[in-house]
Amino acid sequence: AQSVTQPDIHITVSEGASLELRCNYSYGATPYLFWYVQSPGQGLQLLLKYFSGDTLVQGIKGFEAEFKRSQSSFNLRKPSVHWSDAAEYFCAVGENGGYQKVTFGTGTKLQVIP
Amino acid sequence: EAQVTQNPRYLITVTGKKLTVTCSQNMNHEYMSWYRQDPGLGLRQIYYSMNVEVTDKGDVPEGYKVSRKEKRNFPLILESPSPNQTSLYFCASSSRYNEQFFGPGTRLTVL
Repeated sequence: AQSVTQPDIHITVSEGASLELRCNYSYGATPYLFWYVQSPGQGLQLLLKYFSGDTLVQGIKGFEAEFKRSQSSFNLRKPSVHWSDAAEYFCAVGENGGYQKVTFGTGTKLQVIP
Repeated sequence: EAQVTQNPRYLITVTGKKLTVTCSQNMNHEYMSWYRQDPGLGLRQIYYSMNVEVTDKGDVPEGYKVSRKEKRNFPLILESPSPNQTSLYFCASSSRYNEQFFGPGTRLTVL
């Protein structure tokens, strides 16, 4: 069965600092990987996705993620965090093209301090 | 505007009173899913559908039913709600090899 682990429940960073959110997945075949962001009281918005090809994926709002098959990881990064990035971030893995059975991690809540 | 809509957005009900949460998408997507979100547990998939009349269980299907009689609609049915089904529910839709688009969520409280 597929699974996703986000080891950091809560992260605090200073505005302007760099950010890395960790995600490890377990899936037997080629994974379809996603990062979503959820602002307080809002729905989920896709930041980026990896289906195949270049292992460094660029997303919206200046985010990027790198797929590392050998480490079963798909970590999310941003070089300089803005106060508006405070939100909860979810990593997810999907099977069969990523649009059927999708498993989410438990989320990482990001706090940005001035 | 491409969107996934859910109704109602907020619902307070009592144990055992059947309820339906509707979900509709206007993007002609084949695939639709229901999730529940609970603090510390992330999103867990309840059911998903690959097309009209084709559905399958996700990770937490107990106590829920779904139907897909039309491509655009995917209602979630709780025939006898219990307090442990108090949660935030999201509907999502997608096309093949694409990400899911999520609805705004339905906050359900079962007393």
